[in-house]
This record gives sequence, structure tokens and C-alpha cells, in this order.
Amino acid sequence: GQQLNQSPQSMFIQEGEDVSMNCTSSSIFNTWLWYKQDPGEGPVLLIALYKAGELTSNGRLTAQFGITRKDSFLNISASIPSDVGIYFCAGLTRGTDKLIFGTGTRLQVFP
Amino acid sequence: DAGVTQSPTHLIKTRGQHVTLRCSPISGHKSVSWYQQVLGQGPQFIFQYYEKEERGRGNFPDRFSARQFPNYSSELNVNALLLGDSALYLCASSLTGFSTEAFFGQGTRLTVV
Repeated sequence: GQQLNQSPQSMFIQEGEDVSMNCTSSSIFNTWLWYKQDPGEGPVLLIALYKAGELTSNGRLTAQFGITRKDSFLNISASIPSDVGIYFCAGLTRGTDKLIFGTGTRLQVFP
Repeated sequence: DAGVTQSPTHLIKTRGQHVTLRCSPISGHKSVSWYQQVLGQGPQFIFQYYEKEERGRGNFPDRFSARQFPNYSSELNVNALLLGDSALYLCASSLTGFSTEAFFGQGTRLTVV
């Protein structure tokens, strides 16, 4: 099935560092979503983006809806140990309610 | 308030067998979606049901079927299991059927041997 490309695939950072990850698609999406998944749990929605160019924050997290509508970016500032997990982007196309997920970015934070 | 609950949490089946996975949505939510998450990948959409009607279907074989009951709970059925069906099966519920409002359960880990 279709999956969006996320990079990097994994990140190992020190506590306090900032993190950037992105998600790209060959198709246009009308909505971009970012989720975090902890081991043994389902994904939890972090941020939803509805308009090209939109920049939205949720605490230390900031996400942007790319101008081309084919990409999105997530930044985490001042990382802490509980940021550890897998981050997924997901896209929604107009007229469907089917989420297309990315391949995931695994984040490890070291004290 | 209880979140989305899925049962069982873990399951081991043999190739060729049939499996039924269950999902109870958040109280008041009328839509349920099912996703398959193979290890190391993102979830893949299987089905969405809203008000007991199928609203969407992903690119999965006919061995996969689902239904939604009058109380909005849902079952996912998989026939003739293959080794490749081993995955985490996630259920998500939402009030209106819009995926941007969906909450995911913790999933059922299915292992086919």
C-alpha cells in the first residue's frame, strides 16, 4: 500500500537538543497530521494542519504544512526523555477519510 | 472515560485459520476504522464504518471483512490466515467519521505461525 516517505528513519539525540523531521509525498494532500506512537500503544495525534503554508504549535512541537502540499515538517524543541517514540506523519486527500501514513521516524533521547 | 478498547491484546493463530478482532469505540463515537501495522511500518487503512455502513475500504484482499453493530462496536474478520497477516491491528473511533478527530486503541498483536 501507499506510504509517505519520512526522514530521517531514526534519530539519536541528547536531551535538550532540537529535532527536525520531514515527510514527503508524490501526491497532494489537503490535511497533514503528525502522530506519536509509544511501544505497545496506538498512535496519538499531536498536530493537525489544514492549509498550505500553515504553521501550528503544540507546546514544544511545531509543524508546518508545505507550500506544495506534498510535504510537511515537524520540529521538537528542547527534547526530553519522554519524547522517545516513533513519529508518524499522515495525509488526507479531499473527498476521502482514509489516512495515508508515513514510514515513521524513531526518536531516541539520551540524558 | 474509557478510550477505544480492543480485544484480545495478543493472539497467535496458525496459517489457514480464521480470526476475529473486536473493537469498542469511545462512548458516543459512531465511526470505527481499522488499520494494519506491520512491524517497522506505518499503519495501513483497511476499513471505515460509520453508522453501521461501510464508508471506505483499503487495498486488502477479500479475506478481510468487517462489520459494525448497532452499539457501534466493530469486528474485523480475517479468513485463511497467511504468515504476512502477522501485524498489529489498530482500531480508531471518531464522533463524526473524520479521521482528523480519530482516537486509536492500543491494538491487537496478531502472530500467524
